[in-house]
Amino acid sequence: DAMVIQNPRYQVTQFGKPVTLSCSQTLNHNVMYWYQQKSSQAPKLLFHYYDKDFNNEADTPDNFQSRRPNTSFCFLDIRSPGLGDAAMYLCATSRNANEQFFGPGTRLTVL
Amino acid sequence: EDQVTQSPEALRLQEGESSSLNCSYTVSGLRGLFWYRQDPGKGPEFLFTLYSAGEEKEKERLKATLTKKESFLHITAPKPEDSATYLCAVQARTSGSARQLTFGSGTQLTVLP
Repeated sequence: DAMVIQNPRYQVTQFGKPVTLSCSQTLNHNVMYWYQQKSSQAPKLLFHYYDKDFNNEADTPDNFQSRRPNTSFCFLDIRSPGLGDAAMYLCATSRNANEQFFGPGTRLTVL
Repeated sequence: EDQVTQSPEALRLQEGESSSLNCSYTVSGLRGLFWYRQDPGKGPEFLFTLYSAGEEKEKERLKATLTKKESFLHITAPKPEDSATYLCAVQARTSGSARQLTFGSGTQLTVLP
């Protein structure tokens, strides 16, 4: 089945220790998104790639970065995680920015 | 600024007790309204897209409707497996090339057996 895959599902890191979250998709969608979702809150868009074009939301913290080496993969790098960055990180994809399909998420814990 | 408000925040139903969830929105020209289901610890699962007032979509026990200011998700004779958080999101015509979604905070539905 075509799908959006996120690894790892659970990630524990230490305060200030860089971490990378991974997303891959077999849907061949050209748009990929990264969202942050904290408990009982709406998903918050961090950034997206439309094909190779990167778009950063205005209020995304500077220590959050992303890479998209090819159509299928996208990475979220958090350079110096703080306690406030503990959250569920969701990857989503769409074809030409129509319906978005989400992966299962990565739960990040910062100690 | 686009805004989405969902009500109620939480809803408890007995199995078989039909009800509706509300999503009120303000957006600078609606391109689409989306409903998602989210189970605890998982990513949102796409349910429906609605594009114009008067449109309706159905899937099993769920029916989504759209007016110019709000959308309803009607749940008919719910079962315990319908328990989840239901998220509503809007996409504005002016939301940029990737047509970003603005999400509501969701309605947490619990269906008791």
